[in-house]
Amino acid sequence: DIQMTQSPSSLSASVGDSVTITCRASQSISNYLNWYLQKPGKAPKLLIYSASSLQSGVPSRFSGSGSGTDFTLTISSLQPEDFATYYCQHSYTTPFTFGPGTKVDFK
Amino acid sequence: QVHLQESGPGLVKPSETLSLTCTVSGGSISSYYWSWIRQSPGAGLEWIGYIYYSGSAYYNPSLQSRVTISVDTSKNQFSLRMSSVTAADTAVFYCATYKAGAFGYWGQGTLVTVSS
Repeated sequence: DIQMTQSPSSLSASVGDSVTITCRASQSISNYLNWYLQKPGKAPKLLIYSASSLQSGVPSRFSGSGSGTDFTLTISSLQPEDFATYYCQHSYTTPFTFGPGTKVDFK
Repeated sequence: QVHLQESGPGLVKPSETLSLTCTVSGGSISSYYWSWIRQSPGAGLEWIGYIYYSGSAYYNPSLQSRVTISVDTSKNQFSLRMSSVTAADTAVFYCATYKAGAFGYWGQGTLVTVSS
């Protein structure tokens, strides 16, 4: 199985901050990498697919980059509704696996 | 807009079979792969498997021996059966669509507890 790691595991930030989360795959996955946001008690929500494509309806302050094994999710100006846990997930081959998550909370 | 809703028992006894159904509305059953994903504090998010409307199913090898996913196109539903459950299978189970490499639509999730 391809293992996904994320860093940091948690971070504290303020509204308006720029935030970057990193995801690393245990082998090259080309651009088969997605990002999700999850709020407590809710299902994950797709933000970014294919490493850098913004899902319809997702604000443009979210952006993704990377290919191969290293990927980043950037939130350019953190908004109150962005405080949540973020997961990366590869779709290079089955079994699909998710990263352990990065929790973004208030500083 | 595709809407998915999980249903099934919230409590299952150890060694028994967990059965969940996902009802789909607002989308064609032939447009997606239909997936099950679970989330537990210990294991995080885990892809269980998916099925196409034709009936072709693919499973996570770690669960393959205990899992069956089926689809009923006449009812716009797909289902999960997981046998020989243990406390380690306690989780929130989500159904979701899979298309173009991503899980785009998710159900709200249903908590299944394995306990006697």
